[in-house]
Amino acid sequence: AQSVTQLGSHVSVSEGALVLLRCNYSSSVPPYLFWYVQYPNQGLQLLLKYTTGATLVKGINGFEAEFKKSETSFHLTKPSAHMSDAAEYFCAVSEGTGNQFYFGTGTSLTVIP
Amino acid sequence: DAGVIQSPRHEVTEMGQEVTLRCKPISGHDYLFWYRQTMMRGLELLIYFNNNVPIDDSGMPEDRFSAKMPNASFSTLKIQPSEPRDSAVYFCASIRRGEAFFGQGTRLTVV
Repeated sequence: AQSVTQLGSHVSVSEGALVLLRCNYSSSVPPYLFWYVQYPNQGLQLLLKYTTGATLVKGINGFEAEFKKSETSFHLTKPSAHMSDAAEYFCAVSEGTGNQFYFGTGTSLTVIP
Repeated sequence: DAGVIQSPRHEVTEMGQEVTLRCKPISGHDYLFWYRQTMMRGLELLIYFNNNVPIDDSGMPEDRFSAKMPNASFSTLKIQPSEPRDSAVYFCASIRRGEAFFGQGTRLTVV
């Protein structure tokens, strides 16, 4: 069975500071990994994804994540936080083409001016 | 492509009434998922379909909830009778090549 753990349901950073949102997963097969962002009163929007190939993936709005198989992690980072980054972030894993998506419980990011 | 389309965006109904939520997935996507999101429980998978066939409905909370997908371009989630604890945002997502595309959600309020 697959599962996703997001450490820290709430993260606060100062504007301009590094953003680090943690995600660990468990999967019995090579996973597809995703980060989604949800702005208030909006649906979930894909931020970035890892399927195969390069383990460092870049997404929209300056975010990136690195797939570390040995650590079963897929942490999301951004060098410099912007006020507009304040949102809910969800990590997700799937087995690939189809089947269930397993979402983490989400991390609410607050950016302090 | 217009993306996944859900209707209505907002629904307010009285307890005991029937509620039907609608979803139009992206054309060509062969998986469709229904999720419920609340502050207390986060994102919960209710049911998912593959090629219009329900595959796993173990997340459907009660018999009051039912979902159908009569064709590849339309799905409904029905709650009958509705209760205040059903108040949540309901999302539909269609999947292709392992990537999920979400609709904007339906915010349901049962009073």
